[in-house]
Amino acid sequence: DAKTTQPTSMDCAEGRAANLPCNHSTISGNEYVYWYRQIHSQGPQYIIHGLKNNETNEMASLIITEDRKSSTLILPHATLRDTAVYYCIVTYGNKLVFGAGTILRVKS
Amino acid sequence: ETGVTQSPTHLIKTRGQQVTLRCSSQSGHNTVSWYQQALGQGPQFIFQYYREEENGRGNFPPRFSGLQFPNYSSELNVNALELDDSALYLCASSLGQGAFTGELFFGEGSRLTVL
Repeated sequence: DAKTTQPTSMDCAEGRAANLPCNHSTISGNEYVYWYRQIHSQGPQYIIHGLKNNETNEMASLIITEDRKSSTLILPHATLRDTAVYYCIVTYGNKLVFGAGTILRVKS
Repeated sequence: ETGVTQSPTHLIKTRGQQVTLRCSSQSGHNTVSWYQQALGQGPQFIFQYYREEENGRGNFPPRFSGLQFPNYSSELNVNALELDDSALYLCASSLGQGAFTGELFFGEGSRLTVL
C-alpha cells in the first residue's frame, strides 16, 4: 500500500513556483522519497529523489523536513507543459508503490 | 525518450483469451518491472525480474506471468483475460537494487481492452 498522502489536485499560475506537498509520517530510516510525474497518455517520468537532505536538479527541488515525515516538491517556474499527475513515493530500492498522486494544473 | 519500447501500443482481446505484451529495456539494465494502470488510478506493481528471475511480486494472481531474456527484452503474459484486466500496462527498466540510481525508465505502455 502507498505510504504517502497528497492533495487530490492543485492549480498554479504559469511562471510561478508550484509547491506540491506530501505527507509520509511512517517513513523508515532507509526509505527514500521519490517524485515522478505522468503527463496524459505517457509513461511516468522520474523527477527527483532524496533521503534526508534537500535536493535540486534541472527539473525541480525537493525539500524534506528534518523529521522526514513530509516533503515538498518545488517546480520553480511552472509552464503549461508541467500540467500532469505528480506522484510522491516512499520506498527502499526499485519497487515503487504509486498512490493516486496530485493533479497539477498550470494555467495561463 | 527513455530508451524503453513496448509493443503493441494498443490491442483488443475478448474474455478468456491470452495476451503477451513485450518490452525492450535500456541496454545494460538488468531489472525490469511491470505495472498495471487502470483508468484514473496510479500504476500498480505487478512484478519485477532481475537477471531473468522473478524478484518480487505485487497482489496479482498467477495468471499474470513474465519472462526476461538476456538481450534486455521481456514479456508480460496474462491468461484467462477478465474485463477488469483492461488497463495500460507499463514496463520500466532499471539497474538492480544494489546499484539503483533512483530512476525507473518507463515505456509508453500497451493499452489493453478486454471485451
